[in-house]
Amino acid sequence: QVQLVESGGGVVQPGRSLRLSCAASGFTFSTYGIHWVRQAPGKGLEWVAVMSNDGNKEYYADSVKGRFTISRDNSKNTLYLQMNSLRADDTAVYFCAKDRCSGGTCFYDSWGQGTLVTVSS
Amino acid sequence: QSVLTQPPSVSAAPGQKVTISCSGSSSNIGNDYVSWYQQLPGTAPKLLIYDNNIRPSGIPDRFSGSKSGTSATLGITGLQTGDEADYYCEAWDTSLSAGVFGGGTKLTVL
Repeated sequence: QVQLVESGGGVVQPGRSLRLSCAASGFTFSTYGIHWVRQAPGKGLEWVAVMSNDGNKEYYADSVKGRFTISRDNSKNTLYLQMNSLRADDTAVYFCAKDRCSGGTCFYDSWGQGTLVTVSS
Repeated sequence: QSVLTQPPSVSAAPGQKVTISCSGSSSNIGNDYVSWYQQLPGTAPKLLIYDNNIRPSGIPDRFSGSKSGTSATLGITGLQTGDEADYYCEAWDTSLSAGVFGGGTKLTVL
C-alpha cells in the first residue's frame, strides 16, 4: 500500500534553515508528482510546493517563493523541502501528498502523517 | 484569507443532509476540476471527491460533489457523528500557478 513518511521537523530559530524529507513506498515514485502542503496550528490547509515526477517542473506558493526549494531523488524514492530564512509564520505541520492526474487535472490521493516545524527563538 | 471561499462551519442533526459551498474564480474553479478532502481531528487529510464529482473507492455514496461555473458544492446525506470533521475544497489556480485550498468548513453533527 502507498506510504508517505515525513521527517526532519523540529524547533528552529527565525532566519535559520531546515530540510524536510518525505520517504515514499508502495508505488512507482518516479511516476508521480509530489506536493508539500502545510497546516499552521488551528488553521486550514495551505499548498506549499510541487515537483513533477521527473523533477523538471517545480511550482511554489508566493509565501515561500525564493526561500523554499523542493527537490527529489527518484533513486531513493524521497522528496525534500529545503526551507531557508524561516519565519514564525512558517510554523506548521508539513504534509507530503502524492498526486494523481486525470483529464488534465491532478488531486492528492495519498498523504503522509505530517511533521511539525516550529520556528521560535 | 484563502483564494477559495468556504463557510467556516455548518451543522445538522444525525440522518440529515448538509451542503458545503466553495467559491472561487475563473482562474481556479472556473478553469479546473475541484477536489474535496476530509480531515478528522488530529489526522491527515483524506481524499473525498475528485474531478468535481467522483468518489474514490471506499468513499460511501452519501458523499457527493458538483460544480457550476466558479463554485462547487460538497453534499453529505445521512449524517453520522463520525462525519464530524473539517472539509476542504481544492483546485489549481492557473494565474498563480499554484494549488489553492478553501479555508475549510467544520462540520458539526448535533
